[in-house]
Amino acid sequence: KQEVTQIPAALSVPEGENLVLNCSFTDSAIYNLQWFRQDPGKGLTSLLLIQSSQREQTSGRLNASLDKSSGRSTLYIAASQPGDSATYLCAVSTQGGSEKLVFGKGTKLTVNP
Amino acid sequence: NAGVTQTPKFQVLKTGQSMTLQCAQDMNHNSMYWYRQDPGMGLRLIYYSASEGTTDKGEVPNGYNVSRLNKREFSLRLESAAPSQTSVYFCASRVIIGGPPGEFFGPGTRLTVL
Repeated sequence: KQEVTQIPAALSVPEGENLVLNCSFTDSAIYNLQWFRQDPGKGLTSLLLIQSSQREQTSGRLNASLDKSSGRSTLYIAASQPGDSATYLCAVSTQGGSEKLVFGKGTKLTVNP
Repeated sequence: NAGVTQTPKFQVLKTGQSMTLQCAQDMNHNSMYWYRQDPGMGLRLIYYSASEGTTDKGEVPNGYNVSRLNKREFSLRLESAAPSQTSVYFCASRVIIGGPPGEFFGPGTRLTVL
């Protein structure tokens, strides 16, 4: 059974700092990996999706990497801002036509002004 | 283009009552999903529908039923609500082939069962 773990569960940093969020998964047979952002009381917003054949994806100040063989992904946030404060969730898509997602429990990020 | 919409946003039920959560998407996606989110448990898949006319159980299907009414709509029904079903429910959709990849989520329904 696929399991996704995110460490740390919570992270607090000063504004301007570069930071890395970690995601690990137990079964390397994934179709893709997706990073989401969730603001309090809101739904999930997709940030980046990495296909299993890719090593990384970038969007603005965000960069996500994937090492499928070791079962790891990282989300790098450059020059963090208070507006980046949210919970970040990692999810892997199992192979197969239905593409079900298995989620980690998230990392709650607080960026202090 | 509204994306994924859910109704209602909030609901309070008494134990034993029934209700249906509605979800619709206007992105012409094939696959639709229902998740529940609980503190400390993360997001868990309840049911999903890979295409119109098909539905399958996810990780936590007990106490729920679903209907894929057409390509746009996917509803979740609680026949006899229990306090353990107090949660935030999210509907999501995605396209498997073609279009922007990834899963798109609705804003959620916050359900309390007393």
